[in-house]
Amino acid sequence: GQQVMQIPQYQHVQEGEDFTTYCNSSTTLSNIQWYKQRPGGHPVFLIQLVKSGEVKKQKRLTFQFGEAKKNSSLHITATQTTDVGTYFCAGYKSGYSTLTFGKGTMLLVSP
Amino acid sequence: DTEVTQTPKHLVMGMTNKKSLKCEQHMGHRAMYWYKQKAKKPPELMFVYSYEKLSINESVPSRFSPECPNSSLLNLHLHALQPEDSALYLCASSQALGEGGNEQYFGPGTRLTVT
Repeated sequence: GQQVMQIPQYQHVQEGEDFTTYCNSSTTLSNIQWYKQRPGGHPVFLIQLVKSGEVKKQKRLTFQFGEAKKNSSLHITATQTTDVGTYFCAGYKSGYSTLTFGKGTMLLVSP
Repeated sequence: DTEVTQTPKHLVMGMTNKKSLKCEQHMGHRAMYWYKQKAKKPPELMFVYSYEKLSINESVPSRFSPECPNSSLLNLHLHALQPEDSALYLCASSQALGEGGNEQYFGPGTRLTVT
């Protein structure tokens, strides 16, 4: 079936440390999106990557889309307690009209 | 207005009850979605409406019945649910259906408990 793998499942860091979550698909993605869900909240769209090798930055967050359009990563520099939440990647597989979500990475940041 | 609203926020229902979840958006989006999310899991797609027509049903049991009365509203009718149906039910919308890069806007969800 359609699967988008995401690792790690969980990461606990000290405030100020960096964090990275990785997303991998067995098939080519037409684009990939990233969402953040705070504890008790709902998924909120962060960004979309479309082009092979694309890199986008949002302040301390850096998003990459692999050259083969099968993998992606989200890197947070110098985490803050406000970064706490679960980060989901979600991809559109070619020929499919719906998003396939990764299992998510739960980030906990200790002050 | 980039908001998707959902009512109620919380719902407790017995297995013989009939209830409805409501979702509304005023962004002019033509695709609307129902997702089910269990704790520590990703959202799981249930239904998709495109231009007010049911486009995708992800083999959801018939005790869940979606309805799209108009382009701004989406309902999910619940009947004879099971305890394992307890979950967060999320509504989302996007400009259109398709892989053309349509970001989805999620509502706050309805936390459903079936007793």
